[in-house]
Amino acid sequence: SFDLTQPPSVSVSPGQTAIITCSGGRLGDRFVSWYRQKPGQSPVAVIYQDDKRPSGIPDRFSGSSSGPTATLTISETQAMDEGDYYCQAWGPSTTVFGGGTKLTVL
Amino acid sequence: EVHLVESGGGLVQPGRSLRLSCAASGFTFDNFAMHWVRQAPGKGLEWVAGIDFTSRYIGYADSVKGRFTISRDNAKSSLYLQLNSLRADDTALYYCAKDISGFCTNHVCSNYFDSWGQGTLVTVSS
Repeated sequence: SFDLTQPPSVSVSPGQTAIITCSGGRLGDRFVSWYRQKPGQSPVAVIYQDDKRPSGIPDRFSGSSSGPTATLTISETQAMDEGDYYCQAWGPSTTVFGGGTKLTVL
Repeated sequence: EVHLVESGGGLVQPGRSLRLSCAASGFTFDNFAMHWVRQAPGKGLEWVAGIDFTSRYIGYADSVKGRFTISRDNAKSSLYLQLNSLRADDTALYYCAKDISGFCTNHVCSNYFDSWGQGTLVTVSS
């Protein structure tokens, strides 16, 4: 198995750009997905295959991956974007989530 | 619209067993891999187990291997998780999640979970 490391928290002002990173587990060899979870709710995918958005996710959400680090970028951040964000990657017959990053919009 | 409804959670003593169920609707169940993901109180997501549409490929997290068993009944559009030898650190909200495709058997995989249930709470305590 492998581990994915995320910063515990990220804070941003409304309208600014939030950047959340995910590293470890030879990410350069794996595709990464990202999920947002709001308090009391189930997770929702916001990015898959490193940089693709599921239908219904605004284009303010973007993803990238380079070497050992994947990045989720949220531009023009709004209060509604607050929540916990998790990265996910696959291994042989297994998948791992990062520890999660709490995004606060101040 | 996809619906996933988990059931079977509850309070159980350490060492005992429990069986969770997930009733699926709104999609062709036997075309997709399915998974269980758990979340301990105040903690992050942890993948528990996954199963492909024919039950040929199955995977488990190291933390549950040998104690938990995932299964499915395509005729009933249902997913199950048998939890044996339960421990206090198995206490969590257990989610059922739908994969976008078949079960990934290698690391070059672009799959993700596009639908989640609301979860069923398992509490292991004496």
